[in-house]
Amino acid sequence: GAGVSQSPSNKVTEKGKDVELRCDPISGHTALYWYRQRLGQGLEFLIYFQGNSAPDKSGLPSDRFSAERTGESVSTLTIQRTQQEDSAVYLCASSPSLAGSYEQYFGPGTRLTVT
Amino acid sequence: AQSVTQPDIHITVSEGASLELRCNYSYGATPYLFWYVQSPGQGLQLLLKYFSGDTLVQGIKGFEAEFKRSQSSFNLRKPSVHWSDAAEYFCAVTTSTSGTYKYIFGTGTRLKVLA
Repeated sequence: GAGVSQSPSNKVTEKGKDVELRCDPISGHTALYWYRQRLGQGLEFLIYFQGNSAPDKSGLPSDRFSAERTGESVSTLTIQRTQQEDSAVYLCASSPSLAGSYEQYFGPGTRLTVT
Repeated sequence: AQSVTQPDIHITVSEGASLELRCNYSYGATPYLFWYVQSPGQGLQLLLKYFSGDTLVQGIKGFEAEFKRSQSSFNLRKPSVHWSDAAEYFCAVTTSTSGTYKYIFGTGTRLKVLA
């Protein structure tokens, strides 16, 4: 079946503009994660959705960042008033279950460049 | 706080040589442990995972990892490296806080393979 997809694959935006990144998880996966990966660095957890439970937003770096998920389907990550330090690859992953024993399936990422 | 440490930022090996990538974690209980690989321009792909049982786990592409509780380590090994193994490798652990599972990733080890 189809894997995790993300769009756009690349986004160049001017400083101060808002951007919206989209993630389509694998069908049936109840858990969905967003990460940020700055150049040459590891993955930085942003936010986590699990079913109808309240999302874990503890990783969002500022109130300019927000994310939504409709049920167990598409998620969007919105960055308002983008700054140059927001430039990074944003990775989405989904997982079959809440249980930590399940691996995450990653999308190819969205490369965001803020000029 | 829980953490994952990959002490080697870069490793260079010759093709055909053996490989060991180090991973240490800090977590009170037995964690779920993972190794992922990220090839250039690609999303992360799961190599192997450990939940319980046999402490030596086999993964894809000829990789294996050994869980050593006494050393809080989960090192990744391969007996003979191929040029196609050049990539970035991430160790990850899941933790449970109040019933939600958050994956913590190490900062990654970039592997270079010499012909």
